[in-house]
Amino acid sequence: GAGVSQSPSNKVTEKGKDVELRCDPISGHTALYWYRQSLGQGLEFLIYFQGNSAPDKSGLPSDRFSAERTGGSVSTLTIQRTQQEDSAVYLCATHRPGPGSWTQYFGPGTRLLVL
Amino acid sequence: QKEVEQDPGPLSVPEGAIVSLNCTYSNSAFQYFMWYRQYSRKGPELLMYTYSSGNKEDGRFTAQVDKSSKYISLFIRDSQPSDSATYLCAFFSGGYNKLIFGAGTRLAVHP
Repeated sequence: GAGVSQSPSNKVTEKGKDVELRCDPISGHTALYWYRQSLGQGLEFLIYFQGNSAPDKSGLPSDRFSAERTGGSVSTLTIQRTQQEDSAVYLCATHRPGPGSWTQYFGPGTRLLVL
Repeated sequence: QKEVEQDPGPLSVPEGAIVSLNCTYSNSAFQYFMWYRQYSRKGPELLMYTYSSGNKEDGRFTAQVDKSSKYISLFIRDSQPSDSATYLCAFFSGGYNKLIFGAGTRLAVHP
């Protein structure tokens, strides 16, 4: 597709359940980021993938959060044993690294609500 | 002290007003200064970016950076209802892989 797509667009789950959020990047964009946006807060960096390099996981808030990127394309963010404080919008962004090229293109996000 | 400070608003202005949005930052390693616009239920999109101190103009939008004061601004002239959105400042350092975002300012331009 022409842009970054994310699914599902909305997810309601019960506390303690696991959820998987998916991101389909723009073709050719080797860098992929996950962010979390809570109400009234800025975008909080979670994890960064670049090509075949080890991901930068420094933003993951706890070991309940994990992400993978298969074949350098689609990425899945998994939250295990969800808690109410995990409720937020989860945004994926991608870009094609290069000299002077760092503009990130965002998907529409997945709205997660943990009851 | 937070790395980036941005007043979340909301800011409500009449159509045609000049809007001023601001952020302060503490990390002098930041090299790129950006403004993203986020419409309701959409992802942010890059509006403007600048690399150095000074002004950059694009149509009705002007981005201003003062590195000595660690202060950036976005001015919107002749604001329109279609400008109603959340505006996030963002910062990037060549040594990092991630953008650092402000909390975003919600702007409402009413007819």
